[in-house]
Amino acid sequence: DQQVKQNSPSLSVQEGRISILNCDYTNSMFDYFLWYKKYPAEGPTFLISISSIKDKNEDGRFTVFLNKSAKHLSLHIVPSQPGDSAVYFCAAIANAGGTSYGKLTFGQGTILTVHP
Amino acid sequence: GAGVSQSPRYKVTKRGQDVALRCDPISGHVSLYWYRQALGQGPEFLTYFNYEAQQDKSGLPNDRFSAERPEGSISTLTIQRTEQRDSAMYRCASSLDGWSGANVLTFGAGSRLTVL
Repeated sequence: DQQVKQNSPSLSVQEGRISILNCDYTNSMFDYFLWYKKYPAEGPTFLISISSIKDKNEDGRFTVFLNKSAKHLSLHIVPSQPGDSAVYFCAAIANAGGTSYGKLTFGQGTILTVHP
Repeated sequence: GAGVSQSPRYKVTKRGQDVALRCDPISGHVSLYWYRQALGQGPEFLTYFNYEAQQDKSGLPNDRFSAERPEGSISTLTIQRTEQRDSAMYRCASSLDGWSGANVLTFGAGSRLTVL
């Protein structure tokens, strides 16, 4: 039962263009969402997050959008750079107001390749 | 240390042997988490600790898996009587605490376990 799904295994974009990574979830109890980035041979690193009380959060070139009615979130990277090439994981937390902040449910990941 | 340190980085063992994986979290981090990541998948929650107390072990697949953090710092994940299906990347993460909105997990590079 995959509660967090990233249906695109890979995405290829040109440097300077926008990268859009998508994520869908099924559990209505999820109320906090995160994106992690992972380079080869390293652990995932936190990128950006959003609470379910918001529909948008922006940090520099990275913006996360949340559509609760559609149970969908997306990560926009503008402009994309070759150094952004990595695996991107979407993750969600249920009952984030409790003691479960570290109990993340991850998607399968999307490999982003940004070509110079 | 500066980051989350895991050892060994690679472990190859024969079916039926016991293995112990070690995690040294970021100094001062209260919460410590264990995740397992199969190839092509996102990390999957196993268990977590606040200080030395194991708060949630709902993700441990069966009773062959156990974890401890006796002094609230270093943690060991032990798998008894290993089976081939236990082969995966085992990731440890730590965070300042497990209950605040500013909580961010920092992952280690992982221990790759191969059971022959």
